[in-house]
Amino acid sequence: AQSVSQHNHHVILSEAASLELGCNYSYGGTVNLFWYVQYPGQHLQLLLKYFSGDPLVKGIKGFEAEFIKSKFSFNLRKPSVQWSDTAEYFCAVNAPGGGADGLTFGKGTHLIIQP
Amino acid sequence: DGGITQSPKYLFRKEGQNVTLSCEQNLNHDAMYWYRQDPGQGLRLIYYSQIVNDFQKGDIAEGYSVSREKKESFPLTVTSAQKNPTAFYLCASLDRDTYGYTFGSGTRLTVV
Repeated sequence: AQSVSQHNHHVILSEAASLELGCNYSYGGTVNLFWYVQYPGQHLQLLLKYFSGDPLVKGIKGFEAEFIKSKFSFNLRKPSVQWSDTAEYFCAVNAPGGGADGLTFGKGTHLIIQP
Repeated sequence: DGGITQSPKYLFRKEGQNVTLSCEQNLNHDAMYWYRQDPGQGLRLIYYSQIVNDFQKGDIAEGYSVSREKKESFPLTVTSAQKNPTAFYLCASLDRDTYGYTFGSGTRLTVV
């Protein structure tokens, strides 16, 4: 079974700072990788996903993530954060073609951007 | 617009009572999922269904039950056997063509 580890549970940054949220997964086979965001009081939204191809994936709202297969990592980055980026961020993985197709989530990172 | 509807948004129940959470989708997706979200725990898979009349236990199925009699509907029952039922419950479905998941807006269950 796969598992996902998000290194930082709480991150506080000032506006315009650069962001990197760590995500590592454990699974020996091919995986699909996702980052979701949950703004306060809202439902989960997909930021970006990686299935195959270019390991640098660009998502919505200026976010990007890089898949490094050798490190089993899929870190999320944004060069300059805004106050509106305050939210909970979840890394998730699934194994395509597996029996469940369900997502395995990390425990989340609560990001607070101070104006 | 296609999507997932979860109702109600907030639900209160007394300890010892069973309660059923509704999840309806009009996306024509075969696969549907129930997740539980707790602070600091992320989302954990309770049950999933890959097709009508079939469902499988996820990682934390104890104290829960589901049914999948129709493609559009995947209700979750939180039984009195669930030791700590107060949580936020999310329903999702999967478009197997795009591997895109759609999430509902969730139901916050409080058991007192």
